[in-house]
Amino acid sequence: DAGVTQSPTHLIKTRGQQVTLRCSPKSGHDTVSWYQQALGQGPQFIFQYYEEEERQRGNFPDRFSGHQFPNYSSELNVNALLLGDSALYLCASSPTGLAYEQYFGPGTRLTVT
Amino acid sequence: QQQVKQSPQSLIVQKGGISIINCAYENTAFDYFPWYQQFPGKGPALLIAIRPDVSEKKEGRFTISFNKSAKQFSLHIMDSQPGDSATYFCAASFIGNEKLTFGTGTRLTIIP
Repeated sequence: DAGVTQSPTHLIKTRGQQVTLRCSPKSGHDTVSWYQQALGQGPQFIFQYYEEEERQRGNFPDRFSGHQFPNYSSELNVNALLLGDSALYLCASSPTGLAYEQYFGPGTRLTVT
Repeated sequence: QQQVKQSPQSLIVQKGGISIINCAYENTAFDYFPWYQQFPGKGPALLIAIRPDVSEKKEGRFTISFNKSAKQFSLHIMDSQPGDSATYFCAASFIGNEKLTFGTGTRLTIIP
């Protein structure tokens, strides 16, 4: 049984560009959450998707947007990249009815130069 | 009120010893308290979690102790092994707002 998968593994972008990160949840999971983890810090909640809608959002600007597809996979989009957006972006999926029980993928390391 | 405070920042324990990491929270609405283990370059892995209706939960060598009145919870790793060397994060959330609020992490090193 495959766990949460994310792509790409690493990404290097230039300031001002746009980026799309992808996540496939564990089989049987229908809720996807995204987190940003800066080096040496704990993950910070960006937003959560359920039934193709954004259910909750953390304190991130509108430059961060997302989408969930009918197969429960999800994308995170970041526009107008800033140097401060360099971080590990983590996707977590949750079983039906247990949105608090979150299983993380390996993350995408984004470097903005 | 959403903060979760974690200590210590780093911890060195001898092989076979007990590792103890502590967390404190402010929001009494929190009702789910997981611990995650993270190795360098990897995503956090869910280790063990507790709800406030019990004071202790044990899974193998890992135990969570929960003190509702003090708003504190801790992770105990018994018989610590070099393979346990990692960063550990406590977190908290509550039903209806399932975003996880993480502590700042504890870097655990187990020495022979």
